Amino acid sequence: EAGVAQSPRYKIIEKRQSVAFWCNPISGHATLYWYQQILGQGPKLLIQFQNNGVVDDSQLPKDRFSAERLKGVDSTLKIQPAKLEDSAVYLCASSLPITYNEQFFGPGTRLTVL
Amino acid sequence: GENVEQHPSTLSVQEGDSAVIKCTYSDSASNYFPWYKQELGKGPQLIIDIRSNVGEKKDQRIAVTLNKTAKHFSLHITETQPEDSAVYFCAASEGSGYSTLTFGKGTMLLVSP
Repeated sequence: EAGVAQSPRYKIIEKRQSVAFWCNPISGHATLYWYQQILGQGPKLLIQFQNNGVVDDSQLPKDRFSAERLKGVDSTLKIQPAKLEDSAVYLCASSLPITYNEQFFGPGTRLTVL
Repeated sequence: GENVEQHPSTLSVQEGDSAVIKCTYSDSASNYFPWYKQELGKGPQLIIDIRSNVGEKKDQRIAVTLNKTAKHFSLHITETQPEDSAVYFCAASEGSGYSTLTFGKGTMLLVSP
């Protein structure tokens, strides 16, 4: 079974530039999550999708971050404009929408903002 | 919202020793407590989880205990091996299909040969 795919794996940009990350979840997983993991900390949820609808985006900085999940499969997370404090690993995870659902994580995209 | 505290932040042991990582949580509605292992350059991977109706769960060298009254849970690794070296995260959630996970800050476990 293929895992969660993410691209790119690494990205370096200047502050105020824009960047986009892509995620392809495990086939059949209706729930998709984007997390931000700052160095030395645990993952922090940014947004959760159920199919192509948003379940929770309470911690997404909506003035600069946006995400979409068209057709309930792939998802894109965008940052525009980027700030220095956005330097982090952005993790995508997916799961089945069941009780005690295991979340499967992708390898992440390491973003460096200079 | 939920708050998860994790200790210690780093743990160094000799191969063959046991390792214990402890977490506390704040939301009494939390019912699901997974533990994830994250190796360098990879995403977290679930290694064991426990639900609120169980006090202890074992899987070979790994065990997790839960005390709902005190709101704390712990990960126990016995007979540690160098390949156990990684960052370990505890997490908590309500456990429903739509509930979100709140993670601790992680424990870096170093197992020396």
